[in-house]
Amino acid sequence: DAKTTQPNSMESNEEEPVHLPCNHSTISGTDYIHWYRQLPSQGPEYVIHGLTSNVNNRMASLAIAEDRKSSTLILHRATLRDAAVYYCILKSGSRLTFGEGTQLTVNP
Amino acid sequence: EAGVAQSPRYKIIEKRQSVAFWCNPISGHATLYWYQQILGQGPKLLIQFQNNGVVDDSQLPKDRFSAERLKGVDSTLKIQPAKLEDSAVYLCASSVGTARGYEQYFGPGTRLTVT
Repeated sequence: DAKTTQPNSMESNEEEPVHLPCNHSTISGTDYIHWYRQLPSQGPEYVIHGLTSNVNNRMASLAIAEDRKSSTLILHRATLRDAAVYYCILKSGSRLTFGEGTQLTVNP
Repeated sequence: EAGVAQSPRYKIIEKRQSVAFWCNPISGHATLYWYQQILGQGPKLLIQFQNNGVVDDSQLPKDRFSAERLKGVDSTLKIQPAKLEDSAVYLCASSVGTARGYEQYFGPGTRLTVT
């Protein structure tokens, strides 16, 4: 599976936008970009996914670079409940291969 | 819609004992996954079922771990005998199918402590 690179940690203030970056320079043409998050003591939770075009849903937006070698997960207004580990994953088959993700801290 | 159910939520055993975890996926989901998550790491896939057949068990330590999904619905993961390094959270997930665009839904996990 192609590898992703994410910062270990990021901080944000409540009610401000958060941009979580992910680099995936070895992505193949058929890999989907998936984002999951894991709140403390819970299982991972699906956030959003995309292939080539930017995507929006009720939780977040996903901005995909034109060359697909990087992407950014955007939380439009962070809340304290968004504090979690965010995983960027390239899905080439049915398997999800998790890295270590980005620990997001949201300050009140 | 009910989510993925797992039991027990917590289990403490001594090394060399056996333990079993149970998972009930979301109704209608054909694909079921078992993951192991060691503290501080991301989840690692152990085994994937499509209906009642195994699709991927390449990362399952088969000398001590086994899993089954007999009727294509519920699944059981067993460890026999347990080692200290098996202490982890065991997560079950399900999805509609195996295509790249499908998302996975995770249960709350079973936290196993081996002493």
